[in-house]
Amino acid sequence: NAGVMQNPRHLVRRRGQEARLRCSPMKGHSHVYWYRQLPEEGLKFMVYLQKENIIDESGMPKERFSAEFPKEGPSILRIQQVVRGDSAAYFCASSPTAGTSGKEQFFGPGTRLTVL
Amino acid sequence: GESVGLHLPTLSVQEGDNSIINCAYSNSASDYFIWYKQESGKGPQFIIDIRSNMDKRQGQRVTVLLNKTVKHLSLQIAATQPGDSAVYFCAENRNSGGSNYKLTFGKGTLLTVNP
Repeated sequence: NAGVMQNPRHLVRRRGQEARLRCSPMKGHSHVYWYRQLPEEGLKFMVYLQKENIIDESGMPKERFSAEFPKEGPSILRIQQVVRGDSAAYFCASSPTAGTSGKEQFFGPGTRLTVL
Repeated sequence: GESVGLHLPTLSVQEGDNSIINCAYSNSASDYFIWYKQESGKGPQFIIDIRSNMDKRQGQRVTVLLNKTVKHLSLQIAATQPGDSAVYFCAENRNSGGSNYKLTFGKGTLLTVNP
């Protein structure tokens, strides 16, 4: 049973470009969470999605950031017009049921975004 | 501001020694805590959890202690091994308004195990 998959593992973008980060949840999981980790910081919750629905985006910056989890395919975190401050590791977690406690969120390996 | 924080950013121990990693939280309403291990280049990995109605929980080589009076949490690792070298995070999961999925992480402690 493959774990949570994220790609790319490393992404380099120049200021003003778009970044698209992908997350494939574990098999049988239909709930996805995105977290951002700045250097030497803990992870910060960004958004919680179920298939075709955004449940909680309270941690998402108001502009330039969006997330989706379509009926088919991976969840996508999209960052438009990236700035240097967007450089971070972005982690995706998935869970089998809704609103589960932390121990039931399984994390992917992360995508490390570097903005030049 | 942050409701979960760590006392020490780094901890260096000798192989075979016991390790203790500390964490403080500020919200008395916090009811569930988790310790994660994050190895270099990887995502956080669940180690152990504890609910606020408990003060101690043991796993394999790990023990978590919760002191609600002083809002303090610790992770004890027995007979530390080189494979334990990683960053350790405590996280809080506040069951507020049904949003018990939202994890709040502290900054992390880097544990280095010397052979």
